[in-house]
Amino acid sequence: ELKVEQNPLFLSMQEGKNYTIYCNYSTTSDRLYWYRQDPGKSLESLFVLLSNGAVKQEGRLMASLDTKARLSTLHITAAVHDLSATYFCAVMDSGGSNYKLTFGKGTLLTVNP
Amino acid sequence: GAVVSQHPSRVICKSGTSVKIECRSLDFQATTMFWYRQFPKQSLMLMATSNEGSKATYEQGVEKDKFLINHASLTLSTLTVTSAHPEDSSFYICSAEQGGNTEAFFGQGTRLTVV
Repeated sequence: ELKVEQNPLFLSMQEGKNYTIYCNYSTTSDRLYWYRQDPGKSLESLFVLLSNGAVKQEGRLMASLDTKARLSTLHITAAVHDLSATYFCAVMDSGGSNYKLTFGKGTLLTVNP
Repeated sequence: GAVVSQHPSRVICKSGTSVKIECRSLDFQATTMFWYRQFPKQSLMLMATSNEGSKATYEQGVEKDKFLINHASLTLSTLTVTSAHPEDSSFYICSAEQGGNTEAFFGQGTRLTVV
């Protein structure tokens, strides 16, 4: 059974600081996703990572994937208040007949002025 | 990206009644749709996977007679919560994909409150 561990679960940081969220998974997977969720809202897709060594950047967020280590990171650069949200990684489980996603527990990010 | 529309966004119902939630793919044909439930401050938990024209596959611990899923067309899946109880109150989210290991797109979610 695929397990996805995300840490930290809670992250409070000051504006302008850098930090990294980690996502470890237990079995081989074809792809990994990062999502953002604002309170009361659904998921917003941030990144899709498809191969070992993949790195994608959008604004102050950068995601990377190391399939050998089964590790993905979401790096936040010079945080701003607007980045406050819950961030989820999700790993595609292709072991069965359907390609379903297993989610991490999420990281609640609070960026303080 | 592709658009998935979920309706209603909020619903309040009385205990013992049934509620239907719709999930539509607006600009693509969705071979597979997924239904998730999210309790406050928790992650998304997959409830079931539905493939067009066949019976849904439910995750362990999800009652198939309580959460009825119908995927009658390539653009519509429905989740019916039957005989709802307060413990069924949750945020229900659907996602849809075109099939074959492609990206899934999420609906806006439905906040169900059972009183």
